[in-house]
Amino acid sequence: GAGVSQSPSNKVTEKGKDVELRCDPISGHTALYWYRQSLGQGLEFLIYFQGNSAPDKSGLPSDRFSAERTGGSVSTLTIQRTQQEDSAVYLCASSTEWTGGGPTRETQYFGPGTRLLVL
Amino acid sequence: AQSVTQLDSQVPVFEEAPVELRCNYSSSVSVYLFWYVQYPNQGLQLLLKYLSGSTLVESINGFEAEFNKSQTSFHLRKPSVHISDTAEYFCAVAYKGGNKLTFGTGTQLKVEL
Repeated sequence: GAGVSQSPSNKVTEKGKDVELRCDPISGHTALYWYRQSLGQGLEFLIYFQGNSAPDKSGLPSDRFSAERTGGSVSTLTIQRTQQEDSAVYLCASSTEWTGGGPTRETQYFGPGTRLLVL
Repeated sequence: AQSVTQLDSQVPVFEEAPVELRCNYSSSVSVYLFWYVQYPNQGLQLLLKYLSGSTLVESINGFEAEFNKSQTSFHLRKPSVHISDTAEYFCAVAYKGGNKLTFGTGTQLKVEL
């Protein structure tokens, strides 16, 4: 079946502009994650959605970052007033609903990422 | 807070030689442990994971990792590497019951002829 898809694959923007990044999870996956991979850094957790529960936003680096998930499927990550330090690869992952032991027990399937460059 | 240390940013190795990619984590509670791989121009994919039970876990392509609680390590090994194993390897840890994975900075494995 289809994997996690993300769009756009590349985005170049000017400092101060807003950007929206989109993630289409695997059909039927109830959990959705956003991560950021900066040059020379590991993947950094940003936000987690699980079904209709309130999202875990504990990883968002500033209030310029927000994300929503409509209809329990597609998710959009929005970065307002972009800064050069926002340049990174933004990765989305999805997984099935966990049945015990916590959500991270379930394998996360990653999309190809969106490479964001802020000039 | 959790952290994951991958001390080796790059590991060059000749084909058919053994390799070990090191991973140490800091956590005082029960954890799940993962190795993800990113082949050139591809997305991250799970290589293997430790959830519970046997401390030695294996992947379908010959890699294995051993959970060592006393050493807080989860090193990845393969007895004989192939050119096709050239990729970046990420170790990750999660609290049991937690919401997120914490990743290391990755190890670039380069297999040479």
